Amino acid sequence: GQQVMQIPQYQHVQEGEDFTTYCNSSTTLSNIQWYKQRPGGHPVFLIQLVKSGEVKKQKRLTFQFGEAKKNSSLHITATQTTDVGTYFCAYSQGGSEKLVFGKGTKLTVNP
Amino acid sequence: NAGVTQTPKFQVLKTGQSMTLQCAQDMNHEYMSWYRQDPGMGLRLIHYSVGAGITDQGEVPNGYNVSRSTTEDFPLRLLSAAPSQTSVYFCASSYNRGATDTQYFGPGTRLTVL
Repeated sequence: GQQVMQIPQYQHVQEGEDFTTYCNSSTTLSNIQWYKQRPGGHPVFLIQLVKSGEVKKQKRLTFQFGEAKKNSSLHITATQTTDVGTYFCAYSQGGSEKLVFGKGTKLTVNP
Repeated sequence: NAGVTQTPKFQVLKTGQSMTLQCAQDMNHEYMSWYRQDPGMGLRLIHYSVGAGITDQGEVPNGYNVSRSTTEDFPLRLLSAAPSQTSVYFCASSYNRGATDTQYFGPGTRLTVL
């Protein structure tokens, strides 16, 4: 079956440093979504990537979908304390309606 | 709109008890799903529904039942609670397709089984 690894599991940065989380798949993905979950909260949709090589930006956040559609990344420039939380990628399996989540990357930011 | 609502917020059960976690949405979404979240495991799909009267299994369906008699409601039933079902449960909904539409999550139910 499809295997998607999200790395790293944890990341601790100083405020102002950059942060990147990756989702790597063993097979081609049809699309990938990214969500953020604040401590004690629920996941909130950030973005969806569909096209090969796609790059999207939201202020300090940059999302990329690899050329082969097997990898995706979320990069945060100059982290702030408001970026604290767990970031998840999510993908569908084999064209089904199931949306499967990666295990997430927990980001902590030292002010 | 209230969005996706879940009740209760917290619940403590004894092993063997049954209960129903409620989920409702007022956005006229066709797709609804249930996830459980455990430390280090991310969100795992339990069951999902693409519309009223249609349900299907996710990654971890054992020990849970669902039904979808209306578009708005998607309750999750624990038939005989076990300590392994201690978790945070999230309900989510999307307008149409689960795989490509934005998922809107409820606030979650924190369940402890003793």
